[in-house]
Amino acid sequence: AQSVAQPEDQVNVAEGNPLTVKCTYSVSGNPYLFWYVQYPNRGLQFLLKYITGDNLVKGSYGFEAEFNKSQTSFHLKKPSALVSDSALYFCAVRDPTDSGSARQLTFGSGTQLTVLP
Amino acid sequence: GAGVSQSPSNKVTEKGKDVELRCDPISGHTALYWYRQSLGQGLEFLIYFQGNSAPDKSGLPSDRFSAERTGGSVSTLTIQRTQQEDSAVYLCASSSYQGNGYTFGSGTRLTVV
Repeated sequence: AQSVAQPEDQVNVAEGNPLTVKCTYSVSGNPYLFWYVQYPNRGLQFLLKYITGDNLVKGSYGFEAEFNKSQTSFHLKKPSALVSDSALYFCAVRDPTDSGSARQLTFGSGTQLTVLP
Repeated sequence: GAGVSQSPSNKVTEKGKDVELRCDPISGHTALYWYRQSLGQGLEFLIYFQGNSAPDKSGLPSDRFSAERTGGSVSTLTIQRTQQEDSAVYLCASSSYQGNGYTFGSGTRLTVV
């Protein structure tokens, strides 16, 4: 079975400061990892993914995430936060070797990011 | 189409009525998923369609919920005898066979009064 945890319901950061949104996962095989963002009254938008290769993945809007296998983490980061980054962020995982859920993403509970001006 | 289209965007219904929610996935995407997002909650998997294979219904919360996908394209999620706890945003997503990430629709906000 696969699972993902986002330990923080809420993250506040001042504009211009670096931000981190945490995510840890549990899979039996090698994970596929994703970050999505949801703005108010909108669907989820894809930010970035890790499938294989470099542990540091760069995505949309200046976001990046680092895959850390030993810590089973995939934290989302941005060097300098913008007020417009305020949104709900979801981490998701898929274990491609798990035939029971091979095509299904399992999502974390979400982290509300608020960037203060 | 260019994206995943869901309709209606908002639906208010009386308790006990049936509702149908529609999802039109990206052309060529063989996989289609329904998720539910309740207020302050994460995403709850409901059902997954892949091509012509039997759907994975393991996430449907009760037998009041059903879904079909016609011609490998458009999908309809039906909720019978709606209850207030069914109030949520219902999100549809599609992906290519490889399933390396979804494209989501904007969702249908269902309110049962």
